[in-house]
Amino acid sequence: DAGVTQSPTHLIKTRGQQVTLRCSPKSGHDTVSWYQQALGQGPQFIFQYYEEEERQRGNFPDRFSGHQFPNYSSELNVNALLLGDSALYLCASSWGGARGTEAFFGQGTRLTVV
Amino acid sequence: SQQGEEDPQALSIQEGENATMNCSYKTSINNLQWYRQNSGRGLVHLILIRSNEREKHSGRLRVTLDTSKKSSSLLITASRAADTASYFCATVTGGGNKLTFGTGTQLKVEL
Repeated sequence: DAGVTQSPTHLIKTRGQQVTLRCSPKSGHDTVSWYQQALGQGPQFIFQYYEEEERQRGNFPDRFSGHQFPNYSSELNVNALLLGDSALYLCASSWGGARGTEAFFGQGTRLTVV
Repeated sequence: SQQGEEDPQALSIQEGENATMNCSYKTSINNLQWYRQNSGRGLVHLILIRSNEREKHSGRLRVTLDTSKKSSSLLITASRAADTASYFCATVTGGGNKLTFGTGTQLKVEL
């Protein structure tokens, strides 16, 4: 059983560009959450998708958007990249039918904006 | 914003010793979870404790929760070099699955 997979593992982009990160949830999970983790900090919640809809959103600007597909996989899009967007982006999956359960994380995508 | 603070920020111990990490949070919670992160990669779930529970065990891990003090502690007994990692507490409030993480404790276990 494959766990949560994220692609790519590393990415370098130029300021002002756009980026798309991808996530496949653990088998049986229907909820995907995205987190941003700056160096030396704890992960910060970006948003969560369930049944192809954004269910919750953290304190991130509209430059951050997402999508969930019918197979429960998800994308995170960031437009007009800033240097401060450089971080580890983590995807977590869980089963939305039982709220407040453990989340399974992918290995993350390390985004560097230059 | 961070919900909680972990204490200490960094901890260095010898193999075989116990490690205790503390977490404080600000608002009422549904549950509190502890995660481990190795070298800035993905997080691994360790244990979940619900707001109506006071203590939980899993192998060498023991977690306590004091909702009146809005605090939790994670005890790792008989630590091993492989336990070297960053440890985060995360709270879930309301009915959702959103995790609000603390600032983390960096644990180093030396041989």
